[in-house]
Amino acid sequence: TQLLEQSPQFLSIQEGENLTVYCNSSSVFSSLQWYRQEPGEGPVLLVTVVTGGEVKKLKRLTFQFGDARKDSSLHITAAQPGDTGLYLCAGAEGGTASKLTFGTGTRLQVTL
Amino acid sequence: DTGVSQNPRHKITKRGQNVTFRCDPISEHNRLYWYRQTLGQGPEFLTYFQNEAQLEKSRLLSDRFSAERPKGSFSTLEIQRTEQGDSAMYLCASSPRRGGPDTQYFGPGTRLTVL
Repeated sequence: TQLLEQSPQFLSIQEGENLTVYCNSSSVFSSLQWYRQEPGEGPVLLVTVVTGGEVKKLKRLTFQFGDARKDSSLHITAAQPGDTGLYLCAGAEGGTASKLTFGTGTRLQVTL
Repeated sequence: DTGVSQNPRHKITKRGQNVTFRCDPISEHNRLYWYRQTLGQGPEFLTYFQNEAQLEKSRLLSDRFSAERPKGSFSTLEIQRTEQGDSAMYLCASSPRRGGPDTQYFGPGTRLTVL
């Protein structure tokens, strides 16, 4: 069973600060997706990374896929209250099995 | 494109009752997935369909659970003889699978509470 561990589990910061969330596994994934989830809602896709070493930027969010495709990071610059939520990484095994294995989640709270 | 929709959004039932949830995927998405998410955890895979064929089921999907996608469009997830441990958010996702990564788009979920 592939497992994804995220750190930190909880993060409370003030508006304007930078932060990094880590997603680690001992398994190799064909692709990795990052989602943000609000309470009582489904996860909303932020990005998909596929190639080892790939870096993608989405406004103030920077996503990186590890060279060996076993880990990933999400960096937020100048956090805003609207960034508050649960951040989930999810790895896909690829091939015919396309189920996602989700990480444990990082709950971020950004205060004024 | 209106996104993945799920109904009902909330369901409260008594232990032992049967419940059925519906998922309408994004149109022309041929893959459909069901996940379950308990409080404080990430979603866990239950099962998935490619068109009308159910290709994989998790061991989490006990005999009391059954999923269908009869015409390769919407899907239903039925839980028979519900137990308190079934209380969770049930999430549906769909993907186009047109080559490249299998990016999945989630619906808003159905929150089940078993009393």
